[in-house]
Amino acid sequence: DGGITQSPKYLFRKEGQNVTLSCEQNLNHDAMYWYRQDPGQGLRLIYYSQIVNDFQKGDIAEGYSVSREKKESFPLTVTSAQKNPTAFYLCASSLRLATSYEQYFGPGTRLTVT
Amino acid sequence: GENVEQHPSTLSVQEGDSAVIKCTYSDSASNYFPWYKQELGKRPQLIIDIRSNVGEKKDQRIAVTLNKTAKHFSLHITETQPEDSAVYFCAAIHPNFGNEKLTFGTGTRLTIIP
Repeated sequence: DGGITQSPKYLFRKEGQNVTLSCEQNLNHDAMYWYRQDPGQGLRLIYYSQIVNDFQKGDIAEGYSVSREKKESFPLTVTSAQKNPTAFYLCASSLRLATSYEQYFGPGTRLTVT
Repeated sequence: GENVEQHPSTLSVQEGDSAVIKCTYSDSASNYFPWYKQELGKRPQLIIDIRSNVGEKKDQRIAVTLNKTAKHFSLHITETQPEDSAVYFCAAIHPNFGNEKLTFGTGTRLTIIP
């Protein structure tokens, strides 16, 4: 299970507070991704980064922000502007090769906002 | 952008029988189709994938078929076992060097009945 880690496993916040979720990988992968998982809705892409200091919005980026200052790290901030932040958040990474698109997932962070 | 639809959302089969999960995609330029398995409380993991230049791929009890003309692909699990119980996600990727991203289906919860 090593390679890509997320912390914490469970996170509780009050409404109106920003919260940052950690994602670290030691796989030397160039690309990193953040997904949100809700029951019955699969995995929806929030943000992704193909290279350090660059990232793109996914399908549901509103209310979230990211940074990619280091190859190993891709933290996600859930801002108070996100209307329904309670969810399971998964980070993933992959090699940036046309021959390999496999994504490796972290264990996830379950965020509860009340 | 790409849209992936997955059916059924839930599937129950007797142990030893076969299970089939189907996905359709919208972007004819998509060329890589992975399947991920997510056991309860665990992270998604790649179980099999197929590229657009191949019509079928097998790995022991698991197989994936691809029909490019109809833009659909299917996961076949034969001789199902209790450990096959999980949520399965299909996905598709549109090749765009520097901007590749997976689009996931909404998942199928497979239950194997002993």
